Amino acid sequence: AQSVAQPEDQVNVAEGNPLTVKCTYSVSGNPYLFWYVQYPNRGLQFLLKYITGDNLVKGSYGFEAEFNKSQTSFHLKKPSALVSDSALYFCAVRDGTGGGNKLTFGTGTQLKVEL
Amino acid sequence: DSGVTQTPKHLITATGQRVTLRCSPRSGDLSVYWYQQSLDQGLQFLIQYYNGEERAKGNILERFSAQQFPDLHSELNLSSLELGDSALYFCASSVAAGISSTDTQYFGPGTRLTVL
Repeated sequence: AQSVAQPEDQVNVAEGNPLTVKCTYSVSGNPYLFWYVQYPNRGLQFLLKYITGDNLVKGSYGFEAEFNKSQTSFHLKKPSALVSDSALYFCAVRDGTGGGNKLTFGTGTQLKVEL
Repeated sequence: DSGVTQTPKHLITATGQRVTLRCSPRSGDLSVYWYQQSLDQGLQFLIQYYNGEERAKGNILERFSAQQFPDLHSELNLSSLELGDSALYFCASSVAAGISSTDTQYFGPGTRLTVL
């Protein structure tokens, strides 16, 4: 079965500093990886995805993610954090088991950006 | 705004009752997915429909059922509700169906169900 792991429940970073939210994956076959963000009392918003090609994926709101096959990682990054980036971040992997197209999510990482 | 709509936003009901959650996908999307988000289980896939037919099933209880109608909206029916069914229920949609699909799932704002 496909799975992702987010090893950190919470990440704290000062505004203006670079941020990294970690994700590792375990898949059979090609990995299709996604990052979503959830703000309080809101739905999940799509940030970016890796399907194939360039290992550095650029997404919404200045976020990017680096796909590393040898380390089976897909870490989310941003060069300069904003207080408004504070939210819950989910890594996900597409799982086509059974012919469907479900997403299997990690446990989430709470990002807190402080002034 | 993802373009996926869900109603109602909040639902408070009692144990043993039955509720229906409704989802309208983005224009042009044929697949609808249902997910449950709870504190103890995290985000879990429940079921997927594609163009009216069930495509994949996850950890969905037998007390729960879903369907997708000809206009592509979907409903999730939860019956014999228990306290543990209290959760945030998300609907998502995407263009395609499965195996070879790499398209993105866009999520609605969710329905928060509270069972008292």
